Parts: sequence; C-alpha cells; structure tokens
Amino acid sequence: DIQMTQSPSSLSASVGDRVTITCRASQSISSYLNWYQQRPGKAPKLLIYAASNLQSGVPSRFSGSGSGTDFTLTISSLQPEDFATYYCQQTYSSPLTFGGGTKVEIK
Amino acid sequence: QLQLQESGPGLVKPSETLSLTCTVSGGSISSSNYYWGWIRQPPGKGLEWIGSIYYSGSTYYNPSLKSRVTISVDTSKNQFSLNLNSVTAADTAVYFCARIRLQLTASPLDYWGQGTLVTVSS
Repeated sequence: DIQMTQSPSSLSASVGDRVTITCRASQSISSYLNWYQQRPGKAPKLLIYAASNLQSGVPSRFSGSGSGTDFTLTISSLQPEDFATYYCQQTYSSPLTFGGGTKVEIK
Repeated sequence: QLQLQESGPGLVKPSETLSLTCTVSGGSISSSNYYWGWIRQPPGKGLEWIGSIYYSGSTYYNPSLKSRVTISVDTSKNQFSLNLNSVTAADTAVYFCARIRLQLTASPLDYWGQGTLVTVSS
C-alpha cells in the first residue's frame, strides 16, 4: 500500500495568514493526488484534484502543487471558514489511501 | 444537484453484519463516467477507503477489509450497498458514500453523502 504522510498534523494560524500543508507519498504517484477539506461533523469536500486543479466553486485562495512524492496545499489568505481538517488522497494505485489529516485551528 | 444519502441501522451487534445503502438522486448511477464508493471514519480519526463499484457491478475492495466486505449495485433503484460482516468495535465509524469522477485525472471523490454513524456494541 502507498502510505501518505501529512505535515504538520495540526497548526494554529490567524485570519489572513498564508498556510502551507505538505503531503508525502511513500512512492511516486505522479499527479494522482487530491485534497479535501472536512469541517467538524460534515463530509469531506473536494478542493483540488490531480495535484493542482481547482475544483469548480472552490475559492482561488486554495492552490495545490507537486508531483511524484511531494505535494503541497496552500491557502493564500486564511479565512474564518477555512478552519477545518485537510486530507490528501492518492489514487495512483489500489488501495486508495488518505493522509492522516492536518487540523487548521484559530490562533 | 446530485445528492447521496446513506441509510441503515445505527447500531450493530458484534459478530453480526453491517448493512448500509446509498441512494443517489439528481443523477443516474448507470453513467459510464463514475464509480461509486464507500469510505469510513472512526470517531476522531482519519479516512479509510472501503471499496468502490461500477454500475456494471465491477468492484474494487481495500485488501484490509476484502474478506468481510461486499459492495453491490441496484441500478433500478439508483442505489448501491455495503455489507460488512463479522463486525467488531473497531468497525465503529461514520460511513460515507461518494461518487468517483472518472473523467477527471486522479478520479477524485467529488460528491459525498452526509455520512451515517454506525456503532458496534452489544
């Protein structure tokens, strides 16, 4: 199985901050990497697919980059509604696997 | 607007079978552009992919659960279902159903149900 490791596991930030979350795969997954946002008590929501493609309707402050084994999700200016947990997911090979999540909290 | 809705018992006894159904509305489950999947999340923990199914019945399962899982589809009802047998407390989780969009590179999960909590307890 491909292991997905996210860092940090949690972070504290203020509204307006630039936030970067990292996801590392245990082997190369090309660009088969998706990012999701999950607010408490809610289902995950697709933000970015194929490493860098913004899902329709998602604000442009979200961006993704990377390929191979190292990926990043960046929020350019953190908004109050962005405080949530973020997960990466690889779809390069079965079983599909998720990172452990990064919880973004209010400083 | 596509909607997915999970349904099934919220409490299952140890060693019994967990059975959930996902009803798809606002779109056809029989489209060649999508797979349909089940994902679970134990309380306070991360996400785990359980398996996926195509409208034709073709399935992929997580090897860690494969011996206990069956996913099926009923195109006439626009539903797909999950059966997980021999459950233990470790199977307590929120279970989500989701659509897997094949037309997009990396086949993301682009629509999700709200999730349903299933507790395994006697």
